[in-house]
Amino acid sequence: NAGVTQTPKFRILKIGQSMTLQCAQDMNHNYMYWYRQDPGMGLKLIYYSVGAGITDKGEVPNGYNVSRSTTEDFPLRLELAAPSQTSVYFCASSYSWGGKQPQHFGDGTRLSIL
Amino acid sequence: TQLLEQSPQFLSIQEGENLTVYCNSSSVFSSLQWYRQEPGEGPVLLVTVVTGGEVKKLKRLTFQFGDARKDSSLHITAAQPGDTGLYLCAENTTSGGYNKLIFGAGTRLAVHP
Repeated sequence: NAGVTQTPKFRILKIGQSMTLQCAQDMNHNYMYWYRQDPGMGLKLIYYSVGAGITDKGEVPNGYNVSRSTTEDFPLRLELAAPSQTSVYFCASSYSWGGKQPQHFGDGTRLSIL
Repeated sequence: TQLLEQSPQFLSIQEGENLTVYCNSSSVFSSLQWYRQEPGEGPVLLVTVVTGGEVKKLKRLTFQFGDARKDSSLHITAAQPGDTGLYLCAENTTSGGYNKLIFGAGTRLAVHP
């Protein structure tokens, strides 16, 4: 009963490096999300997807890219890492849209840019 | 842009005490969710409230939705160390044709034995 799985759990990058944060869910959810969580700032939506092949920007998309080739996977790409991207990143999924639907979160990826 | 304000930002109490945390908005909520996040983990949904004046109970946790649907509260009775965590409220909003969740900054609760 894995739910939402994120890898890696921790990563340190140098400024200008690139990396992909992986997210996979096994609940057959169409809707998936990427958030970043900064201290005292709550969760900010980076990108979301309503199904395979469909993605859209959230509140803070600059510096990130996503793709959704399958229902299960929703990777987040950082092309040129900057110190401002130091944060904890959470992937989530839900069965459908709407305020009554719970979002299921992974355990996060803690990313430091030095 | 709708802003969710949570208060207090931090709360440190002794085991057995009661507490209330709040979530307020400048606009009317369509619906509101409360999540709890423990260190090193992602948020986990506690409850969804939809109707103004609604009260929901989850063991020692009581959630209330304001009559005007612009505020909500979470009351914990006889807090235990296991209640320690970050409590987040989240409001469902519509933008660009799609619904999204907007999160507050959270209340960080520490319950000491």
